Amino acid sequence: EDQVTQSPEALRLQEGESSSLNCSYTVSGLRGLFWYRQDPGKGPEFLFTLYSAGEEKEKERLKATLTKKESFLHITAPKPEDSATYLCAVSYSGAGSYQLTFGKGTKLSVIP
Amino acid sequence: DTAVSQTPKYLVTQMGNDKSIKCEQNLGHDTMYWYKQDSKKFLKIMFSYNNKELIINETVPNRFSPKSPDKAHLNLHINSLELGDSAVYFCASSQGLGNTIYFGEGSWLTVV
Repeated sequence: EDQVTQSPEALRLQEGESSSLNCSYTVSGLRGLFWYRQDPGKGPEFLFTLYSAGEEKEKERLKATLTKKESFLHITAPKPEDSATYLCAVSYSGAGSYQLTFGKGTKLSVIP
Repeated sequence: DTAVSQTPKYLVTQMGNDKSIKCEQNLGHDTMYWYKQDSKKFLKIMFSYNNKELIINETVPNRFSPKSPDKAHLNLHINSLELGDSAVYFCASSQGLGNTIYFGEGSWLTVV
């Protein structure tokens, strides 16, 4: 059973069309939830860390929120350069060594 | 200037060969990792190395062996390469286990 599930798998948006990506998790003892952006041929680039339900963080057109079961990455008025795969990961006490467990990502395409 | 650097970026080799991927981080972190990203872009932890303690993922074949000469370096050696080993291997580091991880640019391994 997947511990971190991201939806949708792929999302196409028109430039300026706001939307949200979802990351749901089933782990207990959440230590942190992480969002990364990955461009083709590159390593994942860190965006945000959220630690507790109710926490929100923003960076340019991106805003990440966290509840006890899921996180959303809101993209406001996206631009073509926001096209990338967005990865969610969790760190939790049940993992023993607190390793980050990743979801399978959401591939975002923003069309001009 | 690169925080986490790994070499080589591309590696094409024949089945049965032995190869190594090198990784260095200049962030002063105490924990380093190797992740494998398969053709479906799913990132899976292989190893983490924290303060000289190696944490092994049980699903990794023992043909894979990490070696850490010091806190700034974590190399990955692979024996008897198989076709299924073809993937992108990412080195990463963090300050402490389960904290924000910073990734290298990846090493594309193709076994023919």
